Amino acid sequence: DTGVSQNPRHKITKRGQNVTFRCDPISEHNRLYWYRQTLGQGPEFLTYFQNEAQLEKSRLLSDRFSAERPKGSFSTLEIQRTEQGDSAMYLCASSAIGQNFYNEQFFGPGTRLTVL
Amino acid sequence: DAKTTQPNSMESNEEEPVHLPCNHSTISGTDYIHWYRQLPSQGPEYVIHGLTSNVNNRMASLAIAEDRKSSTLILHRATLRDAAVYYCILRDNYGQNFVFGPGTRLSVLP
Repeated sequence: DTGVSQNPRHKITKRGQNVTFRCDPISEHNRLYWYRQTLGQGPEFLTYFQNEAQLEKSRLLSDRFSAERPKGSFSTLEIQRTEQGDSAMYLCASSAIGQNFYNEQFFGPGTRLTVL
Repeated sequence: DAKTTQPNSMESNEEEPVHLPCNHSTISGTDYIHWYRQLPSQGPEYVIHGLTSNVNNRMASLAIAEDRKSSTLILHRATLRDAAVYYCILRDNYGQNFVFGPGTRLSVLP
């Protein structure tokens, strides 16, 4: 297993268009997270899945954002009617309960979105 | 989640030790101290974590103050590949998401 993968790595779109990103977590990980990162800032939490259930959503996740994890494996993050403020790096992470119940998160390389 | 305070940036010479400080005066009894780092053009990666006792692993050491209001990440011999943004984060063991601050940007000079 090569870790968390994200596709595409880069996406350029025009304002008002819809975009969808995909995240493939580490295969045995039942938890999956989405974060957003803007230039010079640390990642900000968006949402979290345990298996296929979306258990937590940040208030940053507006109505234009939707995330799914239909079979508890890969996940998609869709942004509808993109705005220039959506330009950011979108990071996916996965985790499983490990030794001593530690919940280490493994991050993917991210999808960089540019909205023109 | 309790907040952490880190210097915006630090500089180190290659092959010298680096001490990255983190203040967390409002830490609660159940908060673990986590360190992640983010190399250029990559997602964050785990470095180390601890609760009360000092911790060592192959990447770094974590020194935790007795009152737990501060901690220091120690890289014993900095290499050019250690140049990254280092994040100090508090989270209890039942928490899920991490709340990242801006971190410390470490530059390593050859």
